[in-house]
Amino acid sequence: QVQLVESGGGVVQPGRSLRLSCAASGFTFSSYGMHWVRQAPGKGLEWVAVIWYDGSNKYYADSVKGRFTISRDNSKNTLYLQMNSLRAEDTAVYYCARNSVEGAMVIGWFDPWGQGTLVTVSS
Amino acid sequence: DIQMTQSPSSLSASVGDRVTITCRASQGISNSLAWYQQKPGKAPKLLLYAASRLESGVPSRFSGSGSGTDYTLTISSLQPEDFATYYCQQYYSTPPTFGQGTKVEIK
Repeated sequence: QVQLVESGGGVVQPGRSLRLSCAASGFTFSSYGMHWVRQAPGKGLEWVAVIWYDGSNKYYADSVKGRFTISRDNSKNTLYLQMNSLRAEDTAVYYCARNSVEGAMVIGWFDPWGQGTLVTVSS
Repeated sequence: DIQMTQSPSSLSASVGDRVTITCRASQGISNSLAWYQQKPGKAPKLLLYAASRLESGVPSRFSGSGSGTDYTLTISSLQPEDFATYYCQQYYSTPPTFGQGTKVEIK
């Protein structure tokens, strides 16, 4: 079955860095765009970034642009999010999610989602 | 960015009730709308896409409608497992944006 498993979350001090990973299985990873979406404690969903299936294009939310980098390794079926210069407001559960349409270079709906990994930015 | 506004923010309902949640976009989104259900401590789950298309495996008591800027999610007969928070999401333009969520609670 299609599965996404995030890892790499934890407690980090403001200004430091963290890299999240999302291991994919059960589908042809290299054929799908992939997203990161986050959810601050008790809050709603916020889209963070997308990368096309071949890594050719990446887009970011303004709130993370210049600090976060999305990347992928199709040989390892793994998605990454490098988070630098972390701030308290980056504290959230980070989900990876598959873009809806195979092979497409347009953003669609998200399905499925991983279980999420918690990032806490605190001194 | 397209702003998505859901109403109500929360509601209380009983098992068997018909429930309607509204999502309004700040500009027309041509049915490029998805609905998700999220239970506490769990990841969101896709319910509908393209405003009215039911995801495989989702019960038929869930339905979606709308056009232009205004969309609705309807649960025809609320079941115990439907108590959750529901989010709409537009994918008409980048960045994709979510509504603030509607929490459905037990009356």
